[in-house]
Amino acid sequence: DAGVTQSPTHLIKTRGQHVTLRCSPISGHKSVSWYQQVLGQGPQFIFQYYEKEERGRGNFPDRFSARQFPNYSSELNVNALLLGDSALYLCASSRSGTSSYNEQFFGPGTRLTVL
Amino acid sequence: EDKVVQSPLSLVVHEGDTVTLNCSYEVTNFRSLLWYKQEKKAPTFLFMLTSSGIEKKSGRLSSILDKKELFSILNITATQTGDSAVYLCAVDLFLTGNQFYFGTGTSLTVIP
Repeated sequence: DAGVTQSPTHLIKTRGQHVTLRCSPISGHKSVSWYQQVLGQGPQFIFQYYEKEERGRGNFPDRFSARQFPNYSSELNVNALLLGDSALYLCASSRSGTSSYNEQFFGPGTRLTVL
Repeated sequence: EDKVVQSPLSLVVHEGDTVTLNCSYEVTNFRSLLWYKQEKKAPTFLFMLTSSGIEKKSGRLSSILDKKELFSILNITATQTGDSAVYLCAVDLFLTGNQFYFGTGTSLTVIP
């Protein structure tokens, strides 16, 4: 079975631009979460989506938005990019997104560099 | 404020040594604690701990949770160079969904 896939693998943008990152979860998984990992730090939670609804949002500005499609894939959008948005963006999928014990499985990430 | 603290921040050992990695937490709405190994990009799942005192084991790795003292340890015995990685501890917060709150990680280097 394929794991979590993300595209693109690398991306270089300039300040002020907009970016869209994509994620396909493991087959059968209905929840997708997004994390930002800055070099030397642990991943920081951005969003969780389950059954196309937002289930959680971390402490990120409104420039960050996401959505989930009927096939459970997801997009993360970041507007008006800042230098500080440079990071590894990780997507994780899990079977459920409700109040139950859930292992999250991570994709390989998208490395975003903002110049 | 929710907090997950891992120690040490980095560790260098020789092959064959045993290591213990620590994770302490102060969070509201604790649901479970998870350990991940991150070598290059994607963190890979190791353990999920939900109950105090029950050891989870997988080969040379084992982990246990103490919900009274709010910490977990990850043990690796007979370390190998392939164990070199960043080990991440995350706490799943019991909210409307699952929000994982990660520590900074422990960087382990195993030298031959």
